[in-house]
Amino acid sequence: DQQVKQNSPSLSVQEGRISILNCDYTNSMFDYFLWYKKYPAEGPTFLISISSIKDKNEDGRFTVFLNKSAKHLSLHIVPSQPGDSAVYFCAASYPGNQFYFGTGTSLTVIP
Amino acid sequence: KAGVTQTPRYLIKTRGQQVTLSCSPISGHRSVSWYQQTPGQGLQFLFEYFSETQRNKGNFPGRFSGRQFSNSRSEMNVSTLELGDSALYLCASSLGLAGTDTQYFGPGTRLTVL
Repeated sequence: DQQVKQNSPSLSVQEGRISILNCDYTNSMFDYFLWYKKYPAEGPTFLISISSIKDKNEDGRFTVFLNKSAKHLSLHIVPSQPGDSAVYFCAASYPGNQFYFGTGTSLTVIP
Repeated sequence: KAGVTQTPRYLIKTRGQQVTLSCSPISGHRSVSWYQQTPGQGLQFLFEYFSETQRNKGNFPGRFSGRQFSNSRSEMNVSTLELGDSALYLCASSLGLAGTDTQYFGPGTRLTVL
C-alpha cells in the first residue's frame, strides 16, 4: 500500500524560476514529514522537515508547505539552480512508526 | 560529527550466497533503519532497530535479517541471495525512534547479485 505518493515522476524548470514538488499521503496519523534530495549512487541528503503543528517551514531557498486537510505537502525551491537537479523524495511518519517514502520526482533545472 | 558510514560500498555476489552489510550511525544516534532501493522504485523499508531491539519491520521475506549492537552499529544480512536482491541498500540513523526525529542516510551499499 502506497501511503505516500509523488505523482509527478519528473519536472523540468528554468534556472531562476520556482520549482514546486508535490507529495500526497493517505494516512491521517502522519504528523512528521521530511524531504530529501538524492543524486545517483548516493544516499539521500536531508533537506527540510515539517511537523503537523505547522503549515509552513522555511530554510533558505527551500520552503515546505503542509495542508493537513488535503493530506498534501509541497516543496518550493526558489530560485532554482542547476545544482538542484536531482531526485527528490518526501517521507512521512508518526511516532514509533517507520518512515514511508514516495517514489520520487526527478527535477531538472535547465540553465 | 562524522556522518553515517556503510561498508562495503560495493559488493558482487552470486545467487545462493549470503551477504552481511554494516552501518555505523552518527555518534549518539540510537535508531538505525535499513532501506532497499531498486531502479525506478522508492525506498522500501526493511527494518528499524533502536537500543538493540527491532522496532519495526517491513514486508520482506525472512531471508532479510538484521541486528544492532550495544554501540548502535547495525548489520544487515541477506541469505540465499536472489537476482532480485540486486539493489542499493541504505541505512539511516536518528537520535530517537523513527517517526520522531529526522533520519540521516549513509552513502549506501550497492549489491549486485549474478
